[in-house]
Amino acid sequence: EPEVTQTPSHQVTQMGQEVILRCVPISNHLYFYWYRQILGQKVEFLVSFYNNEISEKSEIFDDQFSVERPDGSNFTLKIRSTKLEDSAMYFCASSERGTGELFFGEGSRLTVL
Amino acid sequence: DQQVKQNSPSLSVQEGRISILNCDYTNSMFDYFLWYKKYPAEGPTFLISISSIKDKNEDGRFTVFLNKSAKHLSLHIVPSQPGDSAVYFCAASDHGSSNTGKLIFGQGTTLQVKP
Repeated sequence: EPEVTQTPSHQVTQMGQEVILRCVPISNHLYFYWYRQILGQKVEFLVSFYNNEISEKSEIFDDQFSVERPDGSNFTLKIRSTKLEDSAMYFCASSERGTGELFFGEGSRLTVL
Repeated sequence: DQQVKQNSPSLSVQEGRISILNCDYTNSMFDYFLWYKKYPAEGPTFLISISSIKDKNEDGRFTVFLNKSAKHLSLHIVPSQPGDSAVYFCAASDHGSSNTGKLIFGQGTTLQVKP
């Protein structure tokens, strides 16, 4: 069964460093997303991406965050200067259309020290 | 932002019995609702969904009921199996104003099914 894959599974970084989280969405999907879950809290929407541009972003997704689809298969989330509060599990998801169910990857755990 | 609420953090049921997980929402613009299951160290896995034009959707052991007037939905699992033990998230979206696929999640309910 097709799946969304994410790398790395766990990244530890120092505060202020740049981090890039990578995702390979399901191949025929057109909509891509990043969500995050801080330990003990809800899964929160960060950003949705369609047709090579951001279609919606949350207030969490400030200027330190960016997304990119650098080639036909990868979808990346960059955090320019990490803060302690960025420590969370980051989930990539994709969907065939802008309605309907999202398929999530297993997540990338980011720990900022 | 408490647009989607799951007021029970945990639920424990005996194997073979019915599990009922509840979810309330406040945004009347939500028109599509989903349930996801999540095991530790894994991403959420889609279970079942329902559109606001329906009040019930069934898929095998899983049934979702929607009560729009009460802004309430529930997931019924019958019979419950030990492998169903996981965190269950309710999620909602508003397709009427946005086709971006953004989902708003509840806090999750941890279901434990005892053998």
